[in-house]
Amino acid sequence: GNSVTQMEGPVTLSEEAFLTINCTYTATGYPSLFWYVQYPGEGLQLLLKATKADDKGSNKGFEATYRKETTSFHLEKGSVQVSDSAVYFCALTANTGNQFYFGTGTSLTVIP
Amino acid sequence: DTAVSQTPKYLVTQMGNDKSIKCEQNLGHDTMYWYKQDSKKFLKIMFSYNNKELIINETVPNRFSPKSPDKAHLNLHINSLELGDSAVYFCASSHRSPGRQSHGYTFGSGTRLTVV
Repeated sequence: GNSVTQMEGPVTLSEEAFLTINCTYTATGYPSLFWYVQYPGEGLQLLLKATKADDKGSNKGFEATYRKETTSFHLEKGSVQVSDSAVYFCALTANTGNQFYFGTGTSLTVIP
Repeated sequence: DTAVSQTPKYLVTQMGNDKSIKCEQNLGHDTMYWYKQDSKKFLKIMFSYNNKELIINETVPNRFSPKSPDKAHLNLHINSLELGDSAVYFCASSHRSPGRQSHGYTFGSGTRLTVV
């Protein structure tokens, strides 16, 4: 079956620290992988995506590389800001017309 | 232009009441979804409609009934509201066709339902 596992939070970092949020997946076929971000009081927004192995998605300084050999899609940012405080969701779709599968979310708080 | 819009944004109501949440998308997507997000931010899919046809119907109390008058609208009606229904409900839309799902979901901003 299809599933996503991401590291549990909450994660608290100081401003300008390096961020990694781990995400691993199980999927049939060749999934597309996504990171969504939810800022306080808002809906989920697509942050970045990768549709095939070795693709790197990037946006707003965040990056994630689709690693088929380790079935991972870890989110990284070199220097976080207070404005990055949010909940981050890893997700996949199997491109077979089925639903998206979301991880449980990781809450990030960046302190000045 | 709001891509996926839900109304109302906040809904406070008493136990036992019946309420509806409305969702509309102007993206030309063929599939719409309702998700429930609990206090721990866990997202649980409830329903999905593709071109007005119900395609996902997870284990949800039958007090919850979705209705899709056309592929741009998906409403959620809840009967006999209970305290445990308090949550944030998100509408989302996407393309379902294989190859187009890689575009991802677009979410509404959520409806915070509080049952008192």
